[in-house]
This record gives sequence, C-alpha cells and structure tokens, in this order.
Amino acid sequence: GAGVSQSPRYKVAKRGQDVALRCDPISGHVSLFWYQQALGQGPEFLTYFQNEAQLDKSGLPSDRFFAERPEGSVSTLKIQRTQQEDSAVYLCASSLIDQAAFFGQGTRLTVV
Amino acid sequence: DAKTTQPTSMDCAEGRAANLPCNHSTISGNEYVYWYRQIHSQGPQYIIHGLKNNETNEMASLIITEDRKSSTLILPHATLRDTAVYYCIVRAWGDSNYQLIWGAGTKLIIKP
Repeated sequence: GAGVSQSPRYKVAKRGQDVALRCDPISGHVSLFWYQQALGQGPEFLTYFQNEAQLDKSGLPSDRFFAERPEGSVSTLKIQRTQQEDSAVYLCASSLIDQAAFFGQGTRLTVV
Repeated sequence: DAKTTQPTSMDCAEGRAANLPCNHSTISGNEYVYWYRQIHSQGPQYIIHGLKNNETNEMASLIITEDRKSSTLILPHATLRDTAVYYCIVRAWGDSNYQLIWGAGTKLIIKP
C-alpha cells in the first residue's frame, strides 16, 4: 500500500489478556518506530528497528511489552497481561534512513 | 523532555495565513527542525523540515531565524481541514538520534 498500515484500528482487551498489534510499513523503508500516545499528549517513543534489528527498546515501559520485526518488514508489538495503564493509541511509523518518518493511523487499545 | 516550546492554542480565520511559532533556543548545530500535525483521531502527518534555510513545499513554508533559536510554520491559506495539533520537533541527523521527542504541540483552530 501507499502508506503505513496498522491493524486492528481498535482493540478492547480485558485486564490480564495478551494483545498483538500489527504494523505494515511503507515498502522499502528500513526504519520502523513504535510510539505510545496517551490522550491529550504527544507521542512517546517505545522502540526502533533498522531492518530486523531492534536497535533501541529503551522506551518500552515494562517487560510486558515486546516488539519484533523478524523479516525486516512487518512488525508486531505485543503486550502481555495488559493493565489499564496500557490504554493508549499505539502508533507505528516508518522511514528511509535519516528521512522523515511517516505514521500509520494507530491502534487504539482500551483495557477494561 | 521536549526541546521546543509552542503556544498551547491558536485561532486563525479561514483563508488567512496561519503562522505557528516555535522556540528551540537550545538547538544544536546538527539538529533539524521538523513539523508534524495530527488531525483528530489520525496518526501524525509529516509537514516539512529544515536545517537553517527557509523551506517551502506544497503544504507549508518554514521560516528559521538566523540564530536558529526559533522558527515559524506558515500555512498560507488556511482551510477548515487544517484544524489540528501542530508539533515542532528538533532532531539530530544520524542513526544515533532517531527518536522524535514530542511536546504538547499547538492546537490550531481554523474558524469560518
């Protein structure tokens, strides 16, 4: 597709449930980013991939959060044992090296 | 912490130029100024970026002061669809500085 695609757009999870969020980056984009955005705030960095290598995961809030990009294209952000504080919009972005990042529409996660 | 400061909100009349200021007094020589916007319930959209020269594209113009401590994003003929939160971000060039650190942005409201 022409842009970054994320699925699902909306996810409601019961507290304690595991969730997996998918990101399809723009074809050919080497860099892939995940951000978390709480209501009314700017996005906060979670993790960064260059191809399949996860170069920075310093923003992941706990060891319940895990991201992968096994073939250097599609990425999955997994959250285990979801908690209410995990409720947020999760944004994926991709770019060429050192170029502007393009964002997907995001996945709105609500933990009940 | 974000390296930029922006007004919390601004209004602009439809059809007029919208001028959004941003202060980045601690910007380093290798840091670019990026502008993104986020329309309600959508992912951030890249607008423009620059280093020290003024830049223009089909969406906007970016004016950077000579000392690079501030910049202005100009939407030449604002429409109702330009209502959004506008983020000014500084980011260094190079793989080791790939994070975008977002502030709260400016909520721009275009009024008919």
